[in-house]
Amino acid sequence: KAGVTQTPRYLIKTRGQQVTLSCSPISGHRSVSWYQQTPGQGLQFLFEYFSETQRNKGNFPGRFSGRQFSNSRSEMNVSTLELGDSALYLCASSLTSGGVIFNEQYFGPGTRLTVT
Amino acid sequence: AQTVTQSQPEMSVQEAETVTLSCTYDTSENNYYLFWYKQPPSRQMILVIRQEAYKQQNATENRFSVNFQKAAKSFSLKISDSQLGDTAMYFCAFMKHYGGSQGNLIFGKGTKLSVKP
Repeated sequence: KAGVTQTPRYLIKTRGQQVTLSCSPISGHRSVSWYQQTPGQGLQFLFEYFSETQRNKGNFPGRFSGRQFSNSRSEMNVSTLELGDSALYLCASSLTSGGVIFNEQYFGPGTRLTVT
Repeated sequence: AQTVTQSQPEMSVQEAETVTLSCTYDTSENNYYLFWYKQPPSRQMILVIRQEAYKQQNATENRFSVNFQKAAKSFSLKISDSQLGDTAMYFCAFMKHYGGSQGNLIFGKGTKLSVKP
């Protein structure tokens, strides 16, 4: 079974631009979570989607948004990029069954975003 | 709010020896899960081991085992017979359990482990 895939793997953007990152979960996984990883703040939760609905959201400004499609693929968008948004963005998927989301999260390789 | 603390930013161990990574957490929850994740250099994060808070028995996965002390809110990882491939950042993580589903992962800052030949 293919793992979690994220595209693109690397991205360079300029301050003020917007960016969209994509995540395809493991087949059969309907829950997708996003995390930001930086050297200073470590790993921080952004949001989680299940069945196209945002179930949970971390403490990030409204410039960070996301969505999930009917095939469970998810995208996250960052508008008006700031230098501090430079980070590794990780996506993780979880198996679901009968509406229950299992606790084990499988991570993708991440998208390395650099804002200049 | 839950917090996870890893007090050892860096550690090193000789190949074939045993090393223990420390993790403490703070929560008022009674139902939760604890995890250790491994992130090798430039490679993706993988789950090493998981512990359910309601289980008293410590989890074990091959060379990896945990010492879970619920009252002390401590969750250390022991790696036996260390191998060069164990070189990685290790993250301790907490997940609250509520209802029929789980919450998000709350991570510690990580411990960088170097295994030396």
